[in-house]
Amino acid sequence: DAKTTQPNSMESNEEEPVHLPCNHSTISGTDYIHWYRQLPSQGPEYVIHGLTSNVNNRMASLAIAEDRKSSTLILHRATLRDAAVYYCILRDGSGNTGKLIFGQGTTLQVKP
Amino acid sequence: DADVTQTPRNRITKTGKRIMLECSQTKGHDRMYWYRQDPGLGLRLIYYSFDVKDINKGEISDGYSVSRQAQAKFSLSLESAIPNQTALYFCATSVGRDGAHQETQYFGPGTRLLVL
Repeated sequence: DAKTTQPNSMESNEEEPVHLPCNHSTISGTDYIHWYRQLPSQGPEYVIHGLTSNVNNRMASLAIAEDRKSSTLILHRATLRDAAVYYCILRDGSGNTGKLIFGQGTTLQVKP
Repeated sequence: DADVTQTPRNRITKTGKRIMLECSQTKGHDRMYWYRQDPGLGLRLIYYSFDVKDINKGEISDGYSVSRQAQAKFSLSLESAIPNQTALYFCATSVGRDGAHQETQYFGPGTRLLVL
C-alpha cells in the first residue's frame, strides 16, 4: 500500500479556512484518496474521497494535485467542533480488500 | 453513530483471561471490520469479514479470533489476554456493494480494554 505523509499538528482560528496537506508521492493510478477524522473519544468518521478531480461535500473540499502526488483537505470555516485528528488514506482500487491503512494523522487545534 | 454499537464500552481484565468484544450493526451492511488503536497512533486492522462465510486476517491478527454470527454481528475474542493488548478497539462496517476502494466505513464508538 502506498504511504501518506501528513504534518503532526496544525492550528487554526475559529471561522477561518483550514488547509490540511497530505503527500502521497508513491500513489498508483488506481489509488483513491480518502479522508477520515476522529473527534476526541469517538470513532473515526468519513469526510471525503476522490480520485483525480477536486471534490466538494457538505463537510469539506478535497483538492488533488494534477500529478496526484499530493492533496489538500479544505475546511472552509473551521469551528471548535472540527478539532480532531485528520487521516489521509490511500485505498487500492486494483484490489478489493476494503482495508483502511491509517497513519498518525494531523491533529487540528481550533482556537476561539 | 448508534447504527454501529459495541459492547462493552469499557473493560478491565487480567492476564490470561478470555474476553469477547461484541459489535452489532443495524445498517444492513455486508462488510465488518475490527481495528485497534494505541495511544498516539492510527488504527490498525485486526480482522475483516465481507460476509458471514468470509473472514480474513488483517495486519495484526495474532492473539485474536473472530466470529461472524450473523450479518449484523461480528465478535472479537482475545483467547488469553496479555497486557500489550491494552488498547481502544473499534468495529466498523461498510455496505459491500461498491468497489472496496470507494466505500465509506462507519465506525462504532469503541471499546476501551485494559489488561492487567
